[in-house]
Amino acid sequence: KNQVEQSPQSLIILEGKNCTLQCNYTVSPFSNLRWYKQDTGRGPVSLTIMTFSENTKSNGRYTATLDADTKQSSLHITASQLSDSASYICVVITSNSGYALNFGKGTSLLVTP
Amino acid sequence: EPEVTQTPSHQVTQMGQEVILRCVPISNHLYFYWYRQILGQKVEFLVSFYNNEISEKSEIFDDQFSVERPDGSNFTLKIRSTKLEDSAMYFCASLSYEQYFGPGTRLTVT
Repeated sequence: KNQVEQSPQSLIILEGKNCTLQCNYTVSPFSNLRWYKQDTGRGPVSLTIMTFSENTKSNGRYTATLDADTKQSSLHITASQLSDSASYICVVITSNSGYALNFGKGTSLLVTP
Repeated sequence: EPEVTQTPSHQVTQMGQEVILRCVPISNHLYFYWYRQILGQKVEFLVSFYNNEISEKSEIFDDQFSVERPDGSNFTLKIRSTKLEDSAMYFCASLSYEQYFGPGTRLTVT
């Protein structure tokens, strides 16, 4: 069964600090992995898209890593800001029949002053 | 910046009533999706739509649900006879390489 597990479930950090969110998956066959940011009551917004051959990809203060061998990904947030408070969702896409998205439950991040 | 739009933003309906949720995907996208998110839970895939037909659907997408692209721009999700457990945020998304989500419709079934 295709699964995407995220940790921690929730995280509280001080403004300006860094943090790393984890994603482990058992999805197969793998097409690509995406990290989304979802503000409360809003739709998810894409942060990064990583294909099988990519190990690291940055988008401003967000850096995602992918280890396709161990089926692990991480999202590192540098110099956190209050506006980073949101749910961060790992999504792994299969390319079996069609284009199926497998969502993790998300990590809820709270950045405090 | 292209965006997916959804209407209404909030829909309240009585159990057993039919609802239609509307989405306008990004104009040059070819793949369309509906997802739902029950409060406090993860986003769940409902259905994908390509070339004017359903390409994939989840177990959640039973006979109560249907999708249409009636006029080449709108993409609708119909729930024929709503149940209390259908209360959720419903997100539409469209895809070329990047997948863009709409802001969601909050459906409340009373």
